[in-house]
Amino acid sequence: DGGITQSPKYLFRKEGQNVTLSCEQNLNHDAMYWYRQDPGQGLRLIYYSQIVNDFQKGDIAEGYSVSREKKESFPLTVTSAQKNPTAFYLCASSGGRGASQPQHFGDGTRLSIL
Amino acid sequence: GDSVTQMEGPVTLSEEAFLTINCTYTATGYPSLFWYVQYPGEGLQLLLKATKADDKGSNKGFEATYRKETTSFHLEKGSVQVSDSAVYFCALGEGIQGAQKLVFGQGTRLTINP
Repeated sequence: DGGITQSPKYLFRKEGQNVTLSCEQNLNHDAMYWYRQDPGQGLRLIYYSQIVNDFQKGDIAEGYSVSREKKESFPLTVTSAQKNPTAFYLCASSGGRGASQPQHFGDGTRLSIL
Repeated sequence: GDSVTQMEGPVTLSEEAFLTINCTYTATGYPSLFWYVQYPGEGLQLLLKATKADDKGSNKGFEATYRKETTSFHLEKGSVQVSDSAVYFCALGEGIQGAQKLVFGQGTRLTINP
């Protein structure tokens, strides 16, 4: 079945450490996205990529970095500069162009600080 | 900027009750509107969408109508089931550089008691 796979499901970070969250899709979608979800809040956009080798900052990009070397993969690195990284991180993808295309989501990675 | 405001939760209903979750939006353009559902520990799933004024989205007994005059997209279901217990997110989508930006409401937690 086509879908989005995020790994790991749970991740723990020590102070001053960078960690990378994996996101892989086999939907043949051009666009991919990373969101952060905090308790009782909606999702906020961290980064998005509309095509391979190109990506753009979202609303809360500080302390995060991404790469898009392959169409299927869009890893997110949470750097030590992100002072409050504890959250639920969701990856998504969409096909086609424009506002009407729904996004397909993975099952998320929960990041906690040790 | 664009924003989405949802009815605050949590909402608790008995099985077979009528459900309404209010959603209003502010947008400068002509966005598409979505309802997503999130079950515990999972990512978001598209529930329904509407792409222009007066469109009605429907799925699994849920309905929502895109009302431009009241800038609303309220979610309704005539008879809820225990399996409908989840968090519901209203979102607007706008095209950005070949991708799509989703702006989410804060989510409404729904619990259905048998």
